[in-house]
Amino acid sequence: DVKVTQSSRYLVKRTGEKVFLECVQDMDHENMFWYRQDPGLGLRLIYFSYDVKMKEKGDIPEGYSVSREKKERFSLILESASTNQTSMYLCATGEGGKKSNEQYFGPGTRLTVT
Amino acid sequence: AQTVTQSQPEMSVQEAETVTLSCTYDTSESDYYLFWYKQPPSRQMILVIRQEAYKQQNATENRFSVNFQKAAKSFSLKISDSQLGDAAMYFCAYRSYTGNQFYFGTGTSLTVIP
Repeated sequence: DVKVTQSSRYLVKRTGEKVFLECVQDMDHENMFWYRQDPGLGLRLIYFSYDVKMKEKGDIPEGYSVSREKKERFSLILESASTNQTSMYLCATGEGGKKSNEQYFGPGTRLTVT
Repeated sequence: AQTVTQSQPEMSVQEAETVTLSCTYDTSESDYYLFWYKQPPSRQMILVIRQEAYKQQNATENRFSVNFQKAAKSFSLKISDSQLGDAAMYFCAYRSYTGNQFYFGTGTSLTVIP
């Protein structure tokens, strides 16, 4: 079974703090994704990575950066947290290429910025 | 970017009855994949069912089946013999044949009434 873990289930940070959210997968998947989930807006893609040190912006990258130094680990960084970044953050992984394979999700991190 | 629309923010169904969740999508591509994901309360998102666009036959997984209408760009999920454990948020998702990115709808919250 694919296992996708996220560093925290719940996180409370203050405005202006630097925040690191980490995602680790154990299935050697090429692709890793960071989404934020907000009520009524569904899942919106922040960034994804298709290989080590490679990244692409998703639909809402502003205010975020990412890092992928090892294949199994994909970090989301909020350089200076703001209250409008209070949300549920979901990490997902998947195989690359022309495959119908699904994305596998982590349990999510509920971030509150006060 | 492709768009995925779920027009029913909330649905309810009596236990043991059948419910259909709607999804439409917009794309100019001919080859792609469609998915339904389930997110139970406070639990991980998991795949329910997937459909390859080149397959005319509708996918089924036990009590879950889809009605895939390619020309109409419609992909509805039918849940038969609904159970209390089916209560969750359901997301429809699209992925192109060659791309890595998934596009999600805004979700439908399903309540199962005992």
